[in-house]
Amino acid sequence: AQTVTQSQPEMSVQEAETVTLSCTYDTSESDYYLFWYKQPPSRQMILVIRQEAYKQQNATENRFSVNFQKAAKSFSLKISDSQLGDAAMYFCAYRSSRMDSSYKLIFGSGTRLLVRP
Amino acid sequence: NAGVMQNPRHLVRRRGQEARLRCSPMKGHSHVYWYRQLPEEGLKFMVYLQKENIIDESGMPKERFSAEFPKEGPSILRIQQVVRGDSAAYFCASTGTGSGNTIYFGEGSWLTVV
Repeated sequence: AQTVTQSQPEMSVQEAETVTLSCTYDTSESDYYLFWYKQPPSRQMILVIRQEAYKQQNATENRFSVNFQKAAKSFSLKISDSQLGDAAMYFCAYRSSRMDSSYKLIFGSGTRLLVRP
Repeated sequence: NAGVMQNPRHLVRRRGQEARLRCSPMKGHSHVYWYRQLPEEGLKFMVYLQKENIIDESGMPKERFSAEFPKEGPSILRIQQVVRGDSAAYFCASTGTGSGNTIYFGEGSWLTVV
């Protein structure tokens, strides 16, 4: 079974600085998807960024980018120019491309990001 | 274009009562997932449904919990004889067909058992 590990329960960053959140996963599959979701105090789950495993190029979305290392099974999220609104829980998630997986998301335990003004 | 709609947002039940949580998927989506989030934890998969079919219920507790997604109307997550340990946020998510489609989440339903 696949697992997702986020080893940083909490991270802190100064406003306007850059922070990297770590995520590792375990799978024997070669084709899958990886995601970062943000959960602000409102508790809404917001998709931040997604990465297809077959793509070598790292995904980017404005100030958010990933460092996808397939061989190392690592998928870190970099937030540049951090803003107060970035303060939230961040969840890394894995999704198999196999039909018998039900395509469900498997989540890590989350990293709480604090942004200092 | 409405997103995934869940109601109620907050529900308080006494121990032993029943809780019913409803989810209307995003327009055009025919696949629904239910996840549970206990305090200070990540989301755990419960069940995956298509219209009129339960596809994967491997994450559902064996007793007291059930889910349905009828041909007409919202998906329902039903918890019978609630206990304090059922207090959690329950998220519904929907998607289209295929592994490449993005899964969109509702805002969650918070169940408190007193």
